[in-house]
Amino acid sequence: AQKITQTQPGMFVQEKEAVTLDCTYDTSDQSYGLFWYKQPSSGEMIFLIYQGSYDEQNATEGRYSLNFQKARKSANLVISASQLGDSAMYFCAMRAGGYNKLIFGAGTRLAVHP
Amino acid sequence: DGGITQSPKYLFRKEGQNVTLSCEQNLNHDAMYWYRQDPGQGLRLIYYSQIVNDFQKGDIAEGYSVSREKKESFPLTVTSAQKNPTAFYLCASTQQGQGVAKNIQYFGAGTRLSVL
Repeated sequence: AQKITQTQPGMFVQEKEAVTLDCTYDTSDQSYGLFWYKQPSSGEMIFLIYQGSYDEQNATEGRYSLNFQKARKSANLVISASQLGDSAMYFCAMRAGGYNKLIFGAGTRLAVHP
Repeated sequence: DGGITQSPKYLFRKEGQNVTLSCEQNLNHDAMYWYRQDPGQGLRLIYYSQIVNDFQKGDIAEGYSVSREKKESFPLTVTSAQKNPTAFYLCASTQQGQGVAKNIQYFGAGTRLSVL
């Protein structure tokens, strides 16, 4: 079965510190994609970063990086130099199988403290 | 500006009533999706459409219906058969094809549906 697991319901981080949000996945597909989205209190889902299963390098987008460990089936999001505006829900998602369908984890609520 | 517009932002449904949520995109994307989000949970796929006049059921399609008469529009109807419709509904779209490796889904701002 295809599944995304986020084991941290909530995380706290001090402003300007780095934080890692965990994500593990389960799929039997050889080709898949992993995504991270941010959902602020307004509700919209904002795309942050993508990692393809065949990508050899870990993805980076500004302050976001994805720590991809294929053998462990983990795709953790690292946010460097946290800002107050980073406080939000963060969802890990996987595209597997056909039709670009996404499977989402339950999310992690991140609170950044000044 | 290109984007995905969902309306209304808030919607109330009475018992036995069908309601329709609107989703319009001007990104020229081929595929569109509807997701449901319950409090404290991730998103679950209701319906998706890859081309005009074609759509497929997702994981929780019972009590919902959709149409795709135009590339830009993918309305979702919550029927009276959906006994627990209170949730946050998100629409997404993506360009797809072999040359589009990422196939990133972009989302609208959502519609919050409540039952009166």
